[in-house]
Amino acid sequence: GAGVSQTPSNKVTEKGKYVELRCDPISEHNRLYWYRQTLGQGPEFLIYFQGTGAADDSGLPNDRFFAVRPEGSVSTLKIQRTERGDSAVYLCASSQNKGGSGANVLTFGAGSRLTVL
Amino acid sequence: AQRVTQPEKLLSVFKGAPVELKCNYSYSGSPELFWYVQYSRQRLQLLLRHISRESIKGFTADLNKGETSFHLKKPFAQEEDSAMYYCALGGYNTDKLIFGTGTRLQVFP
Repeated sequence: GAGVSQTPSNKVTEKGKYVELRCDPISEHNRLYWYRQTLGQGPEFLIYFQGTGAADDSGLPNDRFFAVRPEGSVSTLKIQRTERGDSAVYLCASSQNKGGSGANVLTFGAGSRLTVL
Repeated sequence: AQRVTQPEKLLSVFKGAPVELKCNYSYSGSPELFWYVQYSRQRLQLLLRHISRESIKGFTADLNKGETSFHLKKPFAQEEDSAMYYCALGGYNTDKLIFGTGTRLQVFP
């Protein structure tokens, strides 16, 4: 695709509900990242995928958060039993690993704003 | 552990004035440093990375390993430079990018 697409752009839910956020990365990119951002803070790393597997999920705050990328393209971030503190903008980014280790240039989506009432 | 510090939340200057946005990092390995920018109502995007040694939109940043800094500089600020600027740290033995808390640059006419 032309860029990283995230849906929904806005989601309002009630405390305790289940939420799914979707990310459609740039088709040639094999890495996909999830970040979340709250007011006044920078993007906070959650998880990243290399292909279908989660290469680093050290940023997921607790076991209510889970992410999948079953076919190595689209990814879904899943949040169970949402809490008010989960309210944030969830950012997805993708990058193309040119070989070798090291972070690469990230292309970001517009984000999904989650509000938990 | 990776850590990025941007000490200034807000930096206000007049058009034509020099700008320096500070960034310090902590990382035990060989770092990769980036500056990302977010203009109003736009997505977060890459401005520059240290290994490219480029000047983008008049901005430059030099990696100083002795001072563990990667300050962003521009000699003459323009109104269109007003945005949020985030310093980010990666590394040659890590694939995750850690962001600072950001500095809002306001350039007044």
